[in-house]
Amino acid sequence: QSALTQPASVSGSPGQSITISCSGTSSDVGGYNYVSWYQQHPGKAPKLMIYDVSNRPSGVSNRFSGSKSGNTASLTISGLQAEDEADYYCSSYASSSTVIFGGGTKLTVL
Amino acid sequence: EVQLVESGGGLVQPGGSLRLSCAASGFTFNNYAMSWVRQAPGKGLEWVSVISGSGDNTYYADFVKGRFTSSRDNNSKTLYLQINTLRAEDTAVYYCATVGSSWSIFDYWGQGTLVTVSS
Repeated sequence: QSALTQPASVSGSPGQSITISCSGTSSDVGGYNYVSWYQQHPGKAPKLMIYDVSNRPSGVSNRFSGSKSGNTASLTISGLQAEDEADYYCSSYASSSTVIFGGGTKLTVL
Repeated sequence: EVQLVESGGGLVQPGGSLRLSCAASGFTFNNYAMSWVRQAPGKGLEWVSVISGSGDNTYYADFVKGRFTSSRDNNSKTLYLQINTLRAEDTAVYYCATVGSSWSIFDYWGQGTLVTVSS
């Protein structure tokens, strides 16, 4: 199992929107609507931000949204804020009852 | 409030074994599948295993290759990960997490326990 492909880094200025992509195959991202996104600040545990491609858990800002097209999922953060600076990881259910993560994307708020 | 507290990490020599624990509280433990996810220093997240709420079913990442065993005690609300034949590449923070309605949803996470494999 190879990790899902994410850009190593993205950046944006406060108030702008950014999108992080997560590319997989038809055996994971493209085959199931079970993509999740996690935010991780340095030294902290990850936090669930999006599940099942586009659903937000209670308490997560509506500035965070998710989508999927074919084998690629995306996380969009609108109205960028300083506290959004963190690492972001996608994950997907894969065949044989396993889960695969992306390599992670470091978001820098300029 | 959901709480997950991992323990059992530490420094171990290559070839050694460890048993990690994850004490759960604040939710009906046996109603939830549980997973282990690890993160090597400075690296990304890596899924390790999932165990069903009853403990009857477990699934592992390919790299485990029979060295890891996940189990749970629903009476004591504790999740375990037995790791044998430790290798340097197993050095990581090991997190336990609750599993949501699909197995890629990790709702709540513990703070992690660090396993260092070194001679």
